[in-house]
Amino acid sequence: GAGVSQSPRYKVTKRGQDVALRCDPISGHVSLYWYRQALGQGPEFLTYFNYEAQQDKSGLPNDRFSAERPEGSISTLTIQRTEQRDSAMYRCASRLSTGQGGGSPLHFGNGTRLTVT
Amino acid sequence: AQSVTQPDIHITVSEGASLELRCNYSYGATPYLFWYVQSPGQGLQLLLKYFSGDTLVQGIKGFEAEFKRSQSSFNLRKPSVHWSDAAEYFCAVGAKSGGGADGLTFGKGTHLIIQP
Repeated sequence: GAGVSQSPRYKVTKRGQDVALRCDPISGHVSLYWYRQALGQGPEFLTYFNYEAQQDKSGLPNDRFSAERPEGSISTLTIQRTEQRDSAMYRCASRLSTGQGGGSPLHFGNGTRLTVT
Repeated sequence: AQSVTQPDIHITVSEGASLELRCNYSYGATPYLFWYVQSPGQGLQLLLKYFSGDTLVQGIKGFEAEFKRSQSSFNLRKPSVHWSDAAEYFCAVGAKSGGGADGLTFGKGTHLIIQP
């Protein structure tokens, strides 16, 4: 597609339920990133992939959070046993190449607004 | 580890007036620097980026930013703002190493309000 697509746009779930957030990056983009953005804050890094390999998951808050990108394209961020503090905007971004390190700009999706009640 | 500070949480500017949004970064070497804009209900859109070379970079929508190494700053400017510029603006720094998390580190953002 033309841009990064995330679904659903909004997700309301009850505490204790599992949720899966989907990201479809720009076609051909090698790297895929997940960020979390709390209200009034900037995006915070969670994890990223080059192709299907998860390169860094140091930003995942705890072991309830996991992510996968099995075929190097679409990615899923899963939160198990959700808690109210997980409520935030979850943003996905993709980047064309890895070769420039941090220099190649990230292209962001519109995000998934997660509310845990 | 790199970090970004945006000292102004809110900025109010009259339509047609000039704008400067401040950004200071902390990084061990010359970083990659970015400004993104986030409109309500939208994703983050890249305004401009600095990689190397000319320290004054031009972006979309009439924005520019100047990299000042001595001040560790990358302030965003626009000569004359329009009501449609009202949004949240994020400064970000990217590591040059390419290793580890070579994503971006964002500041907390500056909320720009345009007065008629």
